[in-house]
Amino acid sequence: AQTVTQSQPEMSVQEAETVTLSCTYDTSESDYYLFWYKQPPSRQMILVIRQEAYKQQNATENRFSVNFQKAAKSFSLKISDSQLGDAAMYFCAYNRRAGNMLTFGGGTRLMVKP
Amino acid sequence: DVKVTQSSRYLVKRTGEKVFLECVQDMDHENMFWYRQDPGLGLRLIYFSYDVKMKEKGDIPEGYSVSREKKERFSLILESASTNQTSMYLCASSFSDSSGNTIYFGEGSWLTVV
Repeated sequence: AQTVTQSQPEMSVQEAETVTLSCTYDTSESDYYLFWYKQPPSRQMILVIRQEAYKQQNATENRFSVNFQKAAKSFSLKISDSQLGDAAMYFCAYNRRAGNMLTFGGGTRLMVKP
Repeated sequence: DVKVTQSSRYLVKRTGEKVFLECVQDMDHENMFWYRQDPGLGLRLIYFSYDVKMKEKGDIPEGYSVSREKKERFSLILESASTNQTSMYLCASSFSDSSGNTIYFGEGSWLTVV
């Protein structure tokens, strides 16, 4: 079974600074997808960024980028130029290629200080 | 925009009551999911449906059942609610053609069992 671990229950960052959220996962699959989801206080989960395991290039979406280390099974999220609106719960998630069921980590609460 | 609508945001039910949580999506998605969200545990999959009348158990199906009579609607049923089912319940949907497709979430239903 796949597991996803987020070792940081809470993180804080100063506005305009950079923060990195950690995620590790365990799988025996070679082809899969990884995601970061954001859940603001309104509770609707939204997709931040996704990475396909067969792609070596790290995914980037504006201020959000990932550091995907396949051999280490590590998938961290970097948020640059942090904004107050980035404050939320962030969930790392895994999806194996042959199926469509996401496995989530326990989440990291990000606080942004003005 | 994709819309996943959960009919009840906040419910309070008594132990032993039968509880229905309804979810409707408007994007003709084949897949629909019910997750439970608890602090520190992230999201855990209860049930997954990949077509009308089709369902698969997720990681924590005990105490729950589901119904999918129409493609757009996926119901979660607690046959006899218990206090340990107090939680946030999230419905989600996606297309089935690729496991890397984005999964869209509803706003969640807070259930308190007293």
